[in-house]
Amino acid sequence: GQNIDQPTEMTATEGAIVQINCTYQTSGFNGLFWYQQHAGEAPTFLSYNVLDGLEEKGRFSSFLSRSKGYSYLLLKELQMKDSASYLCAADDKLIFGTGTRLQVFP
Amino acid sequence: EPEVTQTPSHQVTQMGQEVILRCVPISNHLYFYWYRQILGQKVEFLVSFYNNEISEKSEIFDDQFSVERPDGSNFTLKIRSTKLEDSAMYFCASSEALADIQYFGAGTRLSVL
Repeated sequence: GQNIDQPTEMTATEGAIVQINCTYQTSGFNGLFWYQQHAGEAPTFLSYNVLDGLEEKGRFSSFLSRSKGYSYLLLKELQMKDSASYLCAADDKLIFGTGTRLQVFP
Repeated sequence: EPEVTQTPSHQVTQMGQEVILRCVPISNHLYFYWYRQILGQKVEFLVSFYNNEISEKSEIFDDQFSVERPDGSNFTLKIRSTKLEDSAMYFCASSEALADIQYFGAGTRLSVL
């Protein structure tokens, strides 16, 4: 079967660091994607891992372990505008998880 | 910056009617996708399209759905006879290559009454 699991909701304070975990089981694997989605808007691409390890991109980093079927998205120096849903997606046809709704408080 | 555009932004229709949702993918992209998101739920894959044919489709994409690339720029999703449960946001996406980053349009909100 195909399944993506991530926490439903998380909260954090401005300036802090938050880690959003994702575990996946997919029939095929061509990469693990992280997207950000603000309410009522389209998903926008954040990060992509195809090999094990950490990919850093400014305030956002993403980690992948293919053997464990595990990824995380790390957000540093949180800002209020980072309040959104963060979607983990795997495979070339983007099997999405339910998304993690992150609320950043002042 | 190139973007995926979708029209209309909101479509209201009566149950049983046909609707066509339109998308203009990024011009040099070769792979096209439709997803839907029912309010409050996750984004669900519907169909992928490459080289003028469907490359993959989900269980949701039944005989009521069809896709077409009528010309060199448009990519459409047709729902033949809409049902109440088809009410959702429909996103079009495109990518340059298989398993590459997908760029999403702003979506069409379909409301079936």
